[in-house]
Amino acid sequence: GQNIDQPTEMTATEGAIVQINCTYQTSGFNGLFWYQQHAGEAPTFLSYNVLDGLEEKGRFSSFLSRSKGYSYLLLKELQMKDSASYLCAPDAGNNRKLIWGLGTSLAVNP
Amino acid sequence: DAGVIQSPRHEVTEMGQEVTLRCKPISGHNSLFWYRQTMMRGLELLIYFNNNVPIDDSGMPEDRFSAKMPNASFSTLKIQPSEPRDSAVYFCASGQGVTEAFFGQGTRLTVV
Repeated sequence: GQNIDQPTEMTATEGAIVQINCTYQTSGFNGLFWYQQHAGEAPTFLSYNVLDGLEEKGRFSSFLSRSKGYSYLLLKELQMKDSASYLCAPDAGNNRKLIWGLGTSLAVNP
Repeated sequence: DAGVIQSPRHEVTEMGQEVTLRCKPISGHNSLFWYRQTMMRGLELLIYFNNNVPIDDSGMPEDRFSAKMPNASFSTLKIQPSEPRDSAVYFCASGQGVTEAFFGQGTRLTVV
């Protein structure tokens, strides 16, 4: 079957670093997306990993291990505006069908 | 580009009524997705179009739901008859190839 597992909630302090983990089991796999969703808004694209390893993009980095079915999103120098839900979504293969986790709600406190 | 445009932004309707949600994808994108989001189930893919053709509709809950894409710049999602359990935020997203999908602002549907 298809399964995505990520923590429901996390709390961090402004200026700190936080790592949001995601483990997945899918019948097929092309890559893994991370999206950010602020309350009441649409999801917005953060990253797409196809190969194993870490990809850095400004304050945000994303890591993938295909053999372990594991990914994480690393957020550095946290800002209040980073308070949002972070969605892990493996591309399960056929027809670009993304399997979405329920998201991790991150609260950044001053 | 104005991004993916959805209408209406909010819809309140009575059980049993027909509801039509509309989407204008980003020009040049060849993929279009309809999603439903609830607190309990998260984001669920309802249907995926590629070049205006439905490719995967396995996520459509039941026969009460139907979706069309008559041309590259317009798609509709119809619920008939609507039920209270259909209350959710419905997102339309478009993309090109294997790149990321861009989401519209969503339609918040409440069926009373």
